[in-house]
Amino acid sequence: AAGVIQSPRHLIKEKRETATLKCYPIPRHDTVYWYQQGPGQDPQFLISFYEKMQSDKGSIPDRFSAQQFSDYHSELNMSSLELGDSALYFCASSRLEAETQYFGPGTRLLVL
Amino acid sequence: SQQGEEDPQALSIQEGENATMNCSYKTSINNLQWYRQNSGRGLVHLILIRSNEREKHSGRLRVTLDTSKKSSSLLITASRAADTASYFCATAPLRFGMRFGAGTRLTVKP
Repeated sequence: AAGVIQSPRHLIKEKRETATLKCYPIPRHDTVYWYQQGPGQDPQFLISFYEKMQSDKGSIPDRFSAQQFSDYHSELNMSSLELGDSALYFCASSRLEAETQYFGPGTRLLVL
Repeated sequence: SQQGEEDPQALSIQEGENATMNCSYKTSINNLQWYRQNSGRGLVHLILIRSNEREKHSGRLRVTLDTSKKSSSLLITASRAADTASYFCATAPLRFGMRFGAGTRLTVKP
């Protein structure tokens, strides 16, 4: 079965640079979620989109923004990167009227 | 926000033994979900239990939910070395982000 696709899988950036992470949800899933997981920490919810509209907002820094496109894929844009942004970034998707969120393999971001 | 808190934080058992992990949450819920995460990998959905359910089984997994105590437990029977992972409980309304607890790190020794 098709799963959530995230790209890139690994990314190395310098401080103050920008990064864009992409997420392709499972086909026919209409909701996308972004999570951040620092080393040794639990996943923290950042933001979610349903039918291209923001549906929920968590602890997303103002330096980050995200959107969902007409084909339901989503992009997380991160600017003015800081060392503390080094983490695993997960995308998850769910389909209409279903609570279960299915996670992608994650993007490992390292900020030097 | 609703957040699950796992107990214990770490658990080490021998292969073949049962492992029990507990989770507590703070607010009313529609459902509670359990996820597994192998080190540095993605989260894998294990089981979802709805607020009107008290117990649910899936293979070697048994989940209970006590809404009066705002707690849930995950039992893994006849554990295997491949069960070594971190286990999280999480809650979220439909289309809302999930709030995870600290997780239980389970080690199953061969």
